[in-house]
Amino acid sequence: EPEVTQTPSHQVTQMGQEVILRCVPISNHLYFYWYRQILGQKVEFLVSFYNNEISEKSEIFDDQFSVERPDGSNFTLKIRSTKLEDSAMYFCASSEAGVPYGYTFGSGTRLTVV
Amino acid sequence: EDKVVQSPLSLVVHEGDTVTLNCSYEVTNFRSLLWYKQEKKAPTFLFMLTSSGIEKKSGRLSSILDKKELFSILNITATQTGDSAVYLCAAVGGLGGGADGLTFGKGTHLIIQP
Repeated sequence: EPEVTQTPSHQVTQMGQEVILRCVPISNHLYFYWYRQILGQKVEFLVSFYNNEISEKSEIFDDQFSVERPDGSNFTLKIRSTKLEDSAMYFCASSEAGVPYGYTFGSGTRLTVV
Repeated sequence: EDKVVQSPLSLVVHEGDTVTLNCSYEVTNFRSLLWYKQEKKAPTFLFMLTSSGIEKKSGRLSSILDKKELFSILNITATQTGDSAVYLCAAVGGLGGGADGLTFGKGTHLIIQP
């Protein structure tokens, strides 16, 4: 069964450092998303991406965040200067035709900012 | 403010019992409701509900949506230990989730004891 692949599975970084979280969506999917889940809290929408541009973003997705699809297969989330409160599980998801057809989530990257 | 509220937050039952998980929602531009099962990391898709009153079934799991009362239920009959997981409800639409993002509830942590 096709999968969304995320790397790394766990990343520890110092406050103020830049991190790039990587995702390889399912190959025929056209819609891409990032969500995060702070430990013990609910899954929160960050951004959606379609046709090489951001289509929606939440208030969490401020200027410190950016997304890119650099080569037609990878979909990355960059956090420019990490803060302690950025520590969370970050999920990438892709969808063939956009919601409401349902997403396929990756297994997540656990980001720990120290 | 858009919100999705799940209840109970935690539920412990014995194998063989039937459980009902609840999800109520208030989101702008509601389009559909999704149920996910989250075991260790990635949420896995269970159901998408768009129309009111039409039950979706998959094995021992079933779900239904009431768009008038703004809620959905997820039923699991003859529970097994493998059903232990966090069950997430998410509404498509809403300002916090974007036009094509999901607004999640906090989840119901279901534990099935042998």
